[in-house]
Amino acid sequence: GIQVEQSPPDLILQEGANSTLRCNFSDSVNNLQWFHQNPWGQLINLFYIPSGTKQNGRLSATTVATERYSLLYISSSQTTDSGVYFCAVKGGNQFYFGTGTSLTVIP
Amino acid sequence: EPEVTQTPSHQVTQMGQEVILRCVPISNHLYFYWYRQILGQKVEFLVSFYNNEISEKSEIFDDQFSVERPDGSNFTLKIRSTKLEDSAMYFCASSEAGGEYYGYTFGSGTRLTVV
Repeated sequence: GIQVEQSPPDLILQEGANSTLRCNFSDSVNNLQWFHQNPWGQLINLFYIPSGTKQNGRLSATTVATERYSLLYISSSQTTDSGVYFCAVKGGNQFYFGTGTSLTVIP
Repeated sequence: EPEVTQTPSHQVTQMGQEVILRCVPISNHLYFYWYRQILGQKVEFLVSFYNNEISEKSEIFDDQFSVERPDGSNFTLKIRSTKLEDSAMYFCASSEAGGEYYGYTFGSGTRLTVV
């Protein structure tokens, strides 16, 4: 299957700081999604972004498919941004998830 | 925005018991999926379902698992005889179509605890 690596594995931020999360993948893909898993375990869809750049409020994502990576930007972080951020890429008929970046935003 | 709904949000069951996890996919979606996440680990693919049959399944999806679309709206995952290691978060997802270009919408998950 496709290998998906995320960095950093853990990140602690002061409220108001910005951050960049990275996702590298081993094969060419036509589908990539970013998710936020909140402290209750719920998986929240953030972006469907097989290529290009998208923005949604304080979050934005960029995927450079030819170079096999995607970036998730979080600006002006808030404590509610805490949780684990996963990227997942699609190979065949299934998604392959990365191991996630665990983000803690402290007030 | 349309959602995938999963019930219950948390289920506790005794080892050896049967459990059914329920999902209501987005109404015009045709492909349905179950994924699993053991605590602290990756989200892993279990099974995909299309046109009332399994289209793909992983090694995890052994004979104790089954899926069904009993009516026009529900999609269920049954675990016949639960084991302690089945404790995990189970996510249902749906997509409008198959193929690599279509994104998934995931539900919020059911946390299954086997005691």
